Amino acid sequence: DTGVSQDPRHKITKRGQNVTFRCDPISEHNRLYWYRQTLGQGPEFLTYFQNEAQLEKSRLLSDRFSAERPKGSFSTLEIQRTEQGDSAMYLCASSPKRGQATDTQYFGPGTRLTVL
Amino acid sequence: GENVEQHPSTLSVQEGDSAVIKCTYSDSASNYFPWYKQELGKGPQLIIDIRSNVGEKKDQRIAVTLNKTAKHFSLHITETQPEDSAVYFCAALYTGTASKLTFGTGTRLQVTL
Repeated sequence: DTGVSQDPRHKITKRGQNVTFRCDPISEHNRLYWYRQTLGQGPEFLTYFQNEAQLEKSRLLSDRFSAERPKGSFSTLEIQRTEQGDSAMYLCASSPKRGQATDTQYFGPGTRLTVL
Repeated sequence: GENVEQHPSTLSVQEGDSAVIKCTYSDSASNYFPWYKQELGKGPQLIIDIRSNVGEKKDQRIAVTLNKTAKHFSLHITETQPEDSAVYFCAALYTGTASKLTFGTGTRLQVTL
């Protein structure tokens, strides 16, 4: 079990550019979550997938943000026309599909986005 | 929606002493409460969790207590070591309809020699 992986670990972009992040969950975890964490704060929920279905989206997820999980395995988070306020750590988590363990979320190392 | 408050925001203890971090939650329906440890530049790491049908859970030097009536839960670390220095986050979740964790604002724990 290699844990949740995220790529890239760091991304620096200019305002107005599009960026895409990838998350690979723990094998056989059917739930996948995206969170955003700004400096000095706890992670804030963005969106959640069960298999390939996107079941919940936060109000934080403006129309510039889109997330996909096309085959129920890895997921991508795209931000279009980035703004300086998008600078944050983007965290991915996954959880197993059986019993009470479905509540237990395991986080990846995150992608730190800096928008200049 | 759920709101989680966490105190203190910073905590400094001497090696070997105990550390206690407290959280309160607002939604009485919440029934799952994990604690995460986050080191600089890394993602949150689950260290212990508790469900609402249990009042206390212990794992070696770490324990968590839950008071459902008062809607608060606490993390206790005994015999602290320098490697315990990190930011600790509490979180709450209602497993019935929601899967999103609501996090506290974090506690920066510093264990000094």
